[in-house]
Amino acid sequence: ILNVEQSPQSLHVQEGDSTNFTCSFPSSNFYALHWYRWETAKSPEALFVMTLNGDEKKKGRISATLNTKEGYSYLYIKGSQPEDSATYLCAFNNNDMRFGAGTRLTVKP
Amino acid sequence: DSGVTQTPKHLITATGQRVTLRCSPRSGDLSVYWYQQSLDQGLQFLIQYYNGEERAKGNILERFSAQQFPDLHSELNLSSLELGDSALYFCASSVQGAAYGYTFGSGTRLTVV
Repeated sequence: ILNVEQSPQSLHVQEGDSTNFTCSFPSSNFYALHWYRWETAKSPEALFVMTLNGDEKKKGRISATLNTKEGYSYLYIKGSQPEDSATYLCAFNNNDMRFGAGTRLTVKP
Repeated sequence: DSGVTQTPKHLITATGQRVTLRCSPRSGDLSVYWYQQSLDQGLQFLIQYYNGEERAKGNILERFSAQQFPDLHSELNLSSLELGDSALYFCASSVQGAAYGYTFGSGTRLTVV
């Protein structure tokens, strides 16, 4: 993988559902993997920065895991709420920060 | 307020013109990054400066240039503007180092008519 790839491209869930997205990145020359939350008409906000294989980070109902050997990270949201609706970006930091296209999450009440 | 200030918020200009976008990084951050987001596109990395020096270059057109001044603010200059340059331009700042997240400004929406 030469670039950062995110899947799915978009996701529609019901309030209360738990969900997860995937970020795939080059597994060589790894420095750090970032997750950002980007709400419409706002600027991206940093969620997590992960640097070590096996890292797990958590912020409230949102958590993330990292596998640097196979080049992927998962973002989990437990009990989704309408205010979680946003685009979730991952970015691979290797000298410069390369962003994935994002997963657009819509949580329906 | 993220601490990263971008001006102007909106800019409408004609093809062939030149514009300057300005960014003041968060206090203490030495690195400034410029990104472009065109319609239905993700964030495309343009250029990075660290403490006044260019550190990394992405997909930045030759018509575009940037610099970082001694007070650490940065300017992105876009010249000979084309319709396709219409986009949201974000500036972000960080402490140098891969383990530090970026703080984004609110962006400058450029419309070329």
